[in-house]
Amino acid sequence: DVKVTQSSRYLVKRTGEKVFLECVQDMDHENMFWYRQDPGLGLRLIYFSYDVKMKEKGDIPEGYSVSREKKERFSLILESASTNQTSMYLCASSFRAVRVRLTEAFFGQGTRLTVV
Amino acid sequence: TQLLEQSPQFLSIQEGENLTVYCNSSSVFSSLQWYRQEPGEGPVLLVTVVTGGEVKKLKRLTFQFGDARKDSSLHITAAQPGDTGLYLCAGGESNYQLIWGAGTKLIIKP
Repeated sequence: DVKVTQSSRYLVKRTGEKVFLECVQDMDHENMFWYRQDPGLGLRLIYFSYDVKMKEKGDIPEGYSVSREKKERFSLILESASTNQTSMYLCASSFRAVRVRLTEAFFGQGTRLTVV
Repeated sequence: TQLLEQSPQFLSIQEGENLTVYCNSSSVFSSLQWYRQEPGEGPVLLVTVVTGGEVKKLKRLTFQFGDARKDSSLHITAAQPGDTGLYLCAGGESNYQLIWGAGTKLIIKP
């Protein structure tokens, strides 16, 4: 059974703290993604990685950084948490497409982060 | 800016009824996906459609990709409480450039 595992389901942090969200996949996928999900806004891409040590900015990278030292692990870092970063964070992974075609994205269960 | 608009945003119906949700854009997509997300979980892929006019069936769910590849619909026949969830459409050229709709929240009452 394929799996994407996020380190925490729920997290409460104080404003200004450095926050680490961890994601591990066991499917040998090349691609990994971090999204945030807010009501009425759909999923917004923060960062993605298509290979180890490679990272690319998504649509809303400000205030975030990422790390991918190993193929199976992709970490999202909030450098200095702020209340507007309160959200549901979703990690996903997928195979790299051979042609221009969407491949299946497998998602973790999400981390609901509250910044107070 | 590409946008995917889903309608309705919210739908609450009785078990056994039929329903259709829509995903519309002014842009052409090379392919489009539908995902379902249950409360407290991540989205799970239901289907990928790639050809204009394509129709795919998954048990009681029927997915259609518009002829011009700008829109898609999801039709559920005889809805069951297990169909409850948030239905998301996503379109684009690659997984790196997905455009997501805001979702349709569906509640099926027993």
